[in-house]
Amino acid sequence: GEDVEQSLFLSVREGDSSVINCTYTDSSSTYLYWYKQEPGAGLQLLTYIFSNMDMKQDQRLTVLLNKKDKHLSLRIADTQTGDSAIYFCAELVIFGTGTRLQVFP
Amino acid sequence: EAGVAQSPRYKIIEKRQSVAFWCNPISGHATLYWYQQILGQGPKLLIQFQNNGVVDDSQLPKDRFSAERLKGVDSTLKIQPAKLEDSAVYLCASSPTDGTSGYNEQFFGPGTRLTVL
Repeated sequence: GEDVEQSLFLSVREGDSSVINCTYTDSSSTYLYWYKQEPGAGLQLLTYIFSNMDMKQDQRLTVLLNKKDKHLSLRIADTQTGDSAIYFCAELVIFGTGTRLQVFP
Repeated sequence: EAGVAQSPRYKIIEKRQSVAFWCNPISGHATLYWYQQILGQGPKLLIQFQNNGVVDDSQLPKDRFSAERLKGVDSTLKIQPAKLEDSAVYLCASSPTDGTSGYNEQFFGPGTRLTVL
């Protein structure tokens, strides 16, 4: 069946770059998404990428897509303490397990 | 624009009791989703409505869970009877698109945290 996998935890120092990785199984997905979940809140769309693209940049965020390997990554430049949250990759209604990003000063 | 509203925010019940959750999606959004998010996991789709019709309920445990979306707007999700493993956050989301293909941003409510004792 369809599955989306992520590493569970990432810890970075404030100001460094963060890279969150995701692998998926459904190659028919037209769009792939990154959602952010802060404590006690629902998910919020952070960014997305169209499957015909291999890179998308949006301010501090860079999404890389490798369709051959079914690998998606989210890079956050100049990571701030406010970026501490859980990040989910998703294809339509299939969500990954989430990566908890912890930013320390 | 108001976001997706859910109530209650928290609910504690004993096993074998019944519980109901309510969701009011963003006005005009055709598609409504209910997800179950167990602690430490990603959201798992329980049911997807387009207007008041069911698009996907393949992962809904139909022996105990039911959901309806009357008039294609508000929705309720019910569990009867509850089991210990139903302890989770129940998230409602809505989207303006049909949710089956193409770009589909989902807007999530804050969720209802259910604890079954």
